[in-house]
Amino acid sequence: GESVGLHLPTLSVQEGDNSIINCAYSNSASDYFIWYKQESGKGPQFIIDIRSNMDKRQGQRVTVLLNKTVKHLSLQIAATQPGDSAVYFCAERGSARQLTFGSGTQLTVLP
Amino acid sequence: DAGVIQSPRHEVTEMGQEVTLRCKPISGHDYLFWYRQTMMRGLELLIYFNNNVPIDDSGMPEDRFSAKMPNASFSTLKIQPSEPRDSAVYFCASSPHPNTEAFFGQGTRLTVV
Repeated sequence: GESVGLHLPTLSVQEGDNSIINCAYSNSASDYFIWYKQESGKGPQFIIDIRSNMDKRQGQRVTVLLNKTVKHLSLQIAATQPGDSAVYFCAERGSARQLTFGSGTQLTVLP
Repeated sequence: DAGVIQSPRHEVTEMGQEVTLRCKPISGHDYLFWYRQTMMRGLELLIYFNNNVPIDDSGMPEDRFSAKMPNASFSTLKIQPSEPRDSAVYFCASSPHPNTEAFFGQGTRLTVV
């Protein structure tokens, strides 16, 4: 029979609207966090990072928010474009110095 | 820099055969990571190297998997013998030090039939 795969959370937004993608992380000792974007058939691509001594960081059209109290990370994309359609992963780096990835969120931008 | 280079991009092999995946990290990056991506388990870290030395191989599924880094510009991930459940996309990534992002290659899509 068929294997049951990960059920990726999905987010559909209209082109031009803002997108917010959320991520809950597991390790309270993690001190560095990254958002990656993965398009079909490609490797994950770095978007933005944040260290645990910050709660907000802004890039071009993207903002990452970190709430260490509830171990929550979010990625905000302003004025979402068709090229933003992809799977977005958050990743955390703990004391073991390796990245642990979340399961990802599929973002679909509607025309 | 051309980024992290992986080869081959696609590999189809028969069960029981040996498979070797190759990776050239970005020059100057001291950390190299091998990941596996499947629908069932997402992105999993298999092993990582620092200055060519394996640091953590706890993610390697079993003894059929082995990885080497003979020099700073080359690493291999070998599966012997391969099994259908090894079918996945294998990514190599490198970073200059632990507290910066890892740069990923395009991946090798492995299909074991």
